[in-house]
Amino acid sequence: GAGVSQSPSNKVTEKGKDVELRCDPISGHTALYWYRQSLGQGLEFLIYFQGNSAPDKSGLPSDRFSAERTGGSVSTLTIQRTQQEDSAVYLCASSLVWERSEQYFGPGTRLTVT
Amino acid sequence: GENVEQHPSTLSVQEGDSAVIKCTYSDSASNYFPWYKQELGKGPQLIIDIRSNVGEKKDQRIAVTLNKTAKHFSLHITETQPEDSAVYFCAASKRDDKIIFGKGTRLHILP
Repeated sequence: GAGVSQSPSNKVTEKGKDVELRCDPISGHTALYWYRQSLGQGLEFLIYFQGNSAPDKSGLPSDRFSAERTGGSVSTLTIQRTQQEDSAVYLCASSLVWERSEQYFGPGTRLTVT
Repeated sequence: GENVEQHPSTLSVQEGDSAVIKCTYSDSASNYFPWYKQELGKGPQLIIDIRSNVGEKKDQRIAVTLNKTAKHFSLHITETQPEDSAVYFCAASKRDDKIIFGKGTRLHILP
């Protein structure tokens, strides 16, 4: 079956512009996660959604970052007034249930802020 | 909160030799420990996981060991092959909490 998909695969934007990154999780997965991976670095947790519960936003680095998940499926990560330090690969993952369950990752969106 | 330390950050081994990656965790309540492999240009993929009710788990050439007392766990890859070259992440989680990843180990298999 289809895995986690993300779009766009690459995004180049000018400093100060807003960007939206999209994630389509695996159908039926109740949990969805966003991570940021800077060049050669580890996985930095940003936010997760679990069913109808309030999202855990504890990893968002600033108020320029926000995310929503509509209808318990598709999620959008929005970065406002982008800065050069926002350049990274943004990974989305989903899992059947949210705790102690395998996460299935998408291929990521490579964001470059010029 | 939980903190996961992973060593080494880079590891080079000769093809056919074994590779070992070690991780420690801080929260004694953690009870689920997965390992992910990330190939170039792709998202991480689960390769093996272990729960705290067992001390070792093996799947073909890969194995994971867990020492709950010392709060450390390790990934062992035997008879390494070129396709094992990748970045490996360990992680830990507990009930009602999110998973915490280590910073990753870049494994190079030398011909």
